[in-house]
Amino acid sequence: DIQMTQSPSSLSASIGDRVTISCRASQSIGSYLNWYQHRPGKAPKLLIYAASSLHSGVPTRFSGSGSGTDFTLTINSLQPEDFGTYYCQQSYYTPRHGFGQGTKLEI
Amino acid sequence: EVQLVESGGGLVQPGGSLRLSCVASGFTFSSYDMHWVRHTAGKGLEWVSAIGTVPGDTNYSGSVKGRFSISRENAKNTLYLQMDSLRAGDTAVYYCARGKYFWTAPPNYGMDVWGPGTTVTVSS
Repeated sequence: DIQMTQSPSSLSASIGDRVTISCRASQSIGSYLNWYQHRPGKAPKLLIYAASSLHSGVPTRFSGSGSGTDFTLTINSLQPEDFGTYYCQQSYYTPRHGFGQGTKLEI
Repeated sequence: EVQLVESGGGLVQPGGSLRLSCVASGFTFSSYDMHWVRHTAGKGLEWVSAIGTVPGDTNYSGSVKGRFSISRENAKNTLYLQMDSLRAGDTAVYYCARGKYFWTAPPNYGMDVWGPGTTVTVSS
């Protein structure tokens, strides 16, 4: 199985900040990388698919980049509703879509 | 409105069984792969199982293979997860999610619709 490793495990930021979260795959996965937001008590939410494509309805302050083994999620101008845990997920090996361990974002 | 709603969670003793259900609405259920994903505070999100649109197309994570069984009843727009030989480590919130192909170049795949989850607690 492909291992997904995120960094950092947690971070604290202020409203209006720019935040970046990294995700590394144990082998090359091309652009087969998704990002999800998971807030406490809520369903996970797809933010980015194909490494850099913004899912419908997701604010444009979210963006993704990378290919191969290294990927980044960037949140520009952090908003209060952005707190929660962010997960990367590989979609290279369908349907075994493993997740990273998560990055907890505190505002 | 596209929606998924899980049910069937609860408290069960180690070694016991439970069947989760997920009712879909607002889309053509039979046309989509479906997944079960679970969440724990310690491990985060963990993919558990998936079922495709073709009969017999099922997959499981190593941690549940041989104990869990995924199925679907398209006439009832319902996804199931039969969980047997439950362990304390299976304690989690279980989500059902819809798998979707995105027609990027190359085509990509993600889970674009999720239910609110149902809680399973395995404890004596």
